[in-house]
Amino acid sequence: NAGVTQTPKFRVLKTGQSMTLLCAQDMNHEYMYWYRQDPGMGLRLIHYSVGEGTTAKGEVPDGYNVSRLKKQNFLLGLESAAPSQTSVYFCASTKEAYEQYFGPGTRLTVT
Amino acid sequence: KNEVEQSPQNLTAQEGEFITINCSYSVGISALHWLQQHPGGGIVSLFMLSSGKKKHGRLIATINIQEKHSSLHITASHPRDSAVYICAVRSLYNFNKFYFGSGTKLNVKP
Repeated sequence: NAGVTQTPKFRVLKTGQSMTLLCAQDMNHEYMYWYRQDPGMGLRLIHYSVGEGTTAKGEVPDGYNVSRLKKQNFLLGLESAAPSQTSVYFCASTKEAYEQYFGPGTRLTVT
Repeated sequence: KNEVEQSPQNLTAQEGEFITINCSYSVGISALHWLQQHPGGGIVSLFMLSSGKKKHGRLIATINIQEKHSSLHITASHPRDSAVYICAVRSLYNFNKFYFGSGTKLNVKP
């Protein structure tokens, strides 16, 4: 099992550009999450999904969109990147009330 | 306000020392998680507990539900234990809501 994978690992964007981060898990987990991690702050939830075809907003959803067309994939989109979105992005998945499995992270810089 | 507070923020230890990291929380929880984040950035779940104590190798995690407090202990610390340790709690009222501490950065010197 690969667990949770994220693509890409690093990316530099110019302000206003768009991109999509891909998260994939092969553990048949129902629940998937996108977090951002900024220096001095705890992980913050951007969006999450409780199953294929469903998404919901977390605590910092503005400027991001998500889709979960297939159970194993959870996509995070930035339509018009801003410097405030410079961060490390983590995807995680979980099965019901068990522990979360995290991806390796995507380091995004917006200039 | 921070629903999850960790102490200390930074910790330097000599190899072999016994280490304790503390976590206090102020919300109702269904479970508490200890996570480890290595310098490379990846995050790994160490423990999930809702009561009592769990042990895995040299790591021990305890939780006191009445006091809303948890501790992570590392016995016989080693330089490879150097990492950021994050306490996270799952909300009792929202299954998909986790509150994360800002982490404790541990550096174990040889």
